[in-house]
Amino acid sequence: SQQGEEDPQALSIQEGENATMNCSYKTSINNLQWYRQNSGRGLVHLILIRSNEREKHSGRLRVTLDTSKKSSSLLITASRAADTASYFCATAPSGGGADGLTFGKGTHLIIQP
Amino acid sequence: SAVISQKPSRDICQRGTSLTIQCQVDSQVTMMFWYRQQPGQSLTLIATANQGSEATYESGFVIDKFPISRPNLTFSTLTVSNMSPEDSSIYLCSAGRPSLVTEAFFGQGTRLTVV
Repeated sequence: SQQGEEDPQALSIQEGENATMNCSYKTSINNLQWYRQNSGRGLVHLILIRSNEREKHSGRLRVTLDTSKKSSSLLITASRAADTASYFCATAPSGGGADGLTFGKGTHLIIQP
Repeated sequence: SAVISQKPSRDICQRGTSLTIQCQVDSQVTMMFWYRQQPGQSLTLIATANQGSEATYESGFVIDKFPISRPNLTFSTLTVSNMSPEDSSIYLCSAGRPSLVTEAFFGQGTRLTVV
């Protein structure tokens, strides 16, 4: 079942602005990952943050994780039209088992040129 | 990294029929998973495809409806049986071991429309 909630569900901003998406989850996690999906196609992995990390950067992406609040945020700086996509957070459970990912509901991001 | 080829990429099927989706990974992987993405929704895990044994299904999904095969470490199939319009979704294959702090790799998905 879905455990992640993301907000906003949809976000429209001007090119060059920053976009922030939030994700909450319910259970203990090993790590949290963010994925991008263009037009209902396959998912592209963006960034992974471990449960013992608080912040991580990758290019124009910045991810934070607050395990006490069971929440994460994804910041995309200096947005570009090509960033238009749906963004999903996904959690991997703690315990090192063979479980798949649990996905949030996603944020649909539109970058206006 | 792993490259995943999934086919067909899309299909339109008549209700009551079955469709088998194939997933091929370019390297041996321990874990393979199948997800469903209903229109406008997020991804839901259907099952873990276990090599050489029966798949492990998530709550709400049963083997009779979604039989899965995994004959080796690079290949898996998902069959959507006795389809109804409610089965219209994107089905995605994934490989990786997320709980071991690695990213998961996804195929491009199969867009299924049942009419």
